[in-house]
Amino acid sequence: DIQMTQSPSSLSASVGDRVTITCQASHDISNHLNWYHQKPGKAPKLLIYDASNLETGVPSRFSGSGSGTDFTFTISSLQPEDIATYYCQQYDNLPTYTFGQGTKLEIK
Amino acid sequence: EVQLVESGGGLVQPGRSLRLSCAASGFTFDDYAMYWVRQAPGKGLEWVAGISWNGGDIGYADSVKGRFTISRDNAKNSLYLQMNSLRVEDTALYYCTKGAGVSLALGWFDPWGQGTLVTVSS
Repeated sequence: DIQMTQSPSSLSASVGDRVTITCQASHDISNHLNWYHQKPGKAPKLLIYDASNLETGVPSRFSGSGSGTDFTFTISSLQPEDIATYYCQQYDNLPTYTFGQGTKLEIK
Repeated sequence: EVQLVESGGGLVQPGRSLRLSCAASGFTFDDYAMYWVRQAPGKGLEWVAGISWNGGDIGYADSVKGRFTISRDNAKNSLYLQMNSLRVEDTALYYCTKGAGVSLALGWFDPWGQGTLVTVSS
């Protein structure tokens, strides 16, 4: 099984800050890595697919990069509405899929 | 607008069964793989099961394999999850979510329903 390790588990930042979350896979997963956020009390929402592709309608301040085992998710300028828990998810080991444990993002 | 509406959750005793349903609208249902993902209270996301457009490919998490069965009825635009031999650790909010293509190969999920809560307790 492929394990996904996200860091940090929680993060506090100020509005306007650049925020970075990392996700490490236990095996090479090419670019088969997606990012979601989940706002409090809401369903998750897809932000980035295939490591770096921005989902339609998602603000351009969100971006993703990486391949192989190491991936990065970035918010270029944190906005108040970005408060959420962020998850990475791999789909290289079909037909099973694994989420990271999540990163809870708060405003300082 | 794509809509996914889950139903069928509730309180059930350990060892009993429950069947979840997901009614889909706003897209051509049989053009997409579909999935179930769950979230235990206060915890992270756990993929449960996935099914290709015609049911030809199916996958399960190890934690539910042999107990849960995913199925779909394309004529009714509906996805199902039959859950047998339920355990306390199956307690979670169960989300229905749409895949990106006909097969399980395009493995990202969007959008998601609002979920249906399953509580397994004696």
